[in-house]
Amino acid sequence: KQEVTQIPAALSVPEGENLVLNCSFTDSAIYNLQWFRQDPGKGLTSLLLIQSSQREQTSGRLNASLDKSSGRSTLYIAASQPGDSATYLCAVGPASKLTFGTGTRLQVTL
Amino acid sequence: ETGVTQTPRHLVMGMTNKKSLKCEQHLGHNAMYWYKQSAKKPLELMFVYSLEERVENNSVPSRFSPECPNSSHLFLHLHTLQPEDSALYLCASSRSLAGFTDTQYFGPGTRLTVL
Repeated sequence: KQEVTQIPAALSVPEGENLVLNCSFTDSAIYNLQWFRQDPGKGLTSLLLIQSSQREQTSGRLNASLDKSSGRSTLYIAASQPGDSATYLCAVGPASKLTFGTGTRLQVTL
Repeated sequence: ETGVTQTPRHLVMGMTNKKSLKCEQHLGHNAMYWYKQSAKKPLELMFVYSLEERVENNSVPSRFSPECPNSSHLFLHLHTLQPEDSALYLCASSRSLAGFTDTQYFGPGTRLTVL
């Protein structure tokens, strides 16, 4: 059974810092890995999707990497802003059976 | 807006009530999902529908009854719930089930409280 772990559970950084969120999974036979953002009491928004054959994806200040052999992914956020404050969730696919981690709650302070 | 809407946004019900949650997607997708999100726990996949056929039921108690009348609408009928069923219920849709690039689009959720 696939298990997804995210470390740290919570993180507080001052505005402008670069930061890395970690995700690990136990079964490397995945279709893809996705990073989502969730604001308090809201639904999830997809940030980046990395197919199993890819190593990384970038969108603006976000960069996600995937190392299937070690069962790890990282989400790098450059020049963090208060608007980045949210919970970030990692999930491994396929779409029919996404397995989620418990998330990292990020707080970016002024 | 994600193109997936859910109503109601908040619901308080007693253990003997019957209520329904509604989800509608405006994205032309073929697959729809129900998830349960409880505090401190990962999202739990409850049900998966593809082209209006249920393809996944993750050992969900029978007090939760899904219905998918067409590819745009998904319901979750609730009856005789327990307090531990209190959670955020999220609906999602995707273009298909197995594509390598298919992502899920989520609605804002229904916050359910069972008294």
